[in-house]
Amino acid sequence: GAGVSQSPSNKVTEKGKDVELRCDPISGHTALYWYRQSLGQGLEFLIYFQGNSAPDKSGLPSDRFSAERTGGSVSTLTIQRTQQEDSAVYLCASSLAGGVGQPQHFGDGTRLSIL
Amino acid sequence: GENVEQHPSTLSVQEGDSAVIKCTYSDSASNYFPWYKQELGKRPQLIIDIRSNVGEKKDQRIAVTLNKTAKHFSLHITETQPEDSAVYFCAASSSNTGKLIFGQGTTLQVKP
Repeated sequence: GAGVSQSPSNKVTEKGKDVELRCDPISGHTALYWYRQSLGQGLEFLIYFQGNSAPDKSGLPSDRFSAERTGGSVSTLTIQRTQQEDSAVYLCASSLAGGVGQPQHFGDGTRLSIL
Repeated sequence: GENVEQHPSTLSVQEGDSAVIKCTYSDSASNYFPWYKQELGKRPQLIIDIRSNVGEKKDQRIAVTLNKTAKHFSLHITETQPEDSAVYFCAASSSNTGKLIFGQGTTLQVKP
């Protein structure tokens, strides 16, 4: 079946603008994760959603970052008043269930460039 | 918080040789350790994972070993091929959410 789908694949915007990134998880996967990958770096956890439970927002770097997941499926990550240090690849992953030991499957990511 | 260190940052081997990548983790409660392969411009792909109740797992040319006492785990690739060239990431998870803490990555180059 279809894998994790993210859009847009690339986004270039001016500093100070708001951006919205979208993630469509694998059908039937209840857990969804957002990670950020800066150039030449490892992946950094941002936020986790599982079913109707309260999300784990512990990785969000500032209050300019927020995310929601509507209907337990599609998720959007919003960055307000973007800064140049927000430039990175934003990756979404989903797993069949939440919790430790569940393989996470990644999308292709959104490459965000802040001018 | 949890931290994962990965070494080396770059690794160059001749085709047919073995490659070993090592990671150490800080949280003794970590109990799940996946490895991802990321080709240039592509998504990370899960290639193998191990849980803390086993010490070794093998899948064809790829194996992972885990030493819980020393808090380190390693990826072993035997009979390397040019298509193994990529960036490899280790990760650890201890949280009940399953969030992964990643190492910084190892760029593996396999020379034909």
